[in-house]
Amino acid sequence: EAGVTQFPSHSVIEKGQTVTLRCDPISGHDNLYWYRRVMGKEIKFLLHFVKESKQDESGMPNNRFLAERTGGTYSTLKVQPAELEDSGVYFCASSPLGQVTGELFFGEGSRLTVL
Amino acid sequence: GENVEQHPSTLSVQEGDSAVIKCTYSDSASNYFPWYKQELGKGPQLIIDIRSNVGEKKDQRIAVTLNKTAKHFSLHITETQPEDSAVYFCAASKTGFQKLVFGTGTRLLVSP
Repeated sequence: EAGVTQFPSHSVIEKGQTVTLRCDPISGHDNLYWYRRVMGKEIKFLLHFVKESKQDESGMPNNRFLAERTGGTYSTLKVQPAELEDSGVYFCASSPLGQVTGELFFGEGSRLTVL
Repeated sequence: GENVEQHPSTLSVQEGDSAVIKCTYSDSASNYFPWYKQELGKGPQLIIDIRSNVGEKKDQRIAVTLNKTAKHFSLHITETQPEDSAVYFCAASKTGFQKLVFGTGTRLLVSP
């Protein structure tokens, strides 16, 4: 079974440009999360989808970030316009609804570098 | 909101030694404490977790202890092996596991 896949693995853009990150969760996982790790700090929660609905977006830094999950399958995270402080590794994770354990299944991350 | 502190930031041990990583959390309502291991080039992977109704949990060479009164929890790895080298993250959350608050990570290096 395929794990959580993220694309691109690494993106280098100029300040002010736009970047879209994509996450394909494990098939059948209705929970989808975005997290971010900036410069060796903690991994911070951004938002949580249940199917296509945003359950919790309290971690989204500002309105330059837009997350979507149309159809409840894959998700995209768009940063527009990108700023220097947006650099970091963006992780996507998924889990099934109603799971007994609390395990999140993470992708390998998308590293974003804003110059 | 919840805040999780993790120490040390780096830890170097010899193969066969034990390694201990410690975390403290601030929100007494937190009741779920997982540990994730991130190997180079990979995403974090759950290695062990503990809930607030349990004080200790073991799985082969790894164990986690929880002190709810002090709001501390620790990861213990015994008989370390080079393949244990990775970044380890502790985390805490409240009901439903939905929103994990992570520590800053510990880079563990096990030398042969």
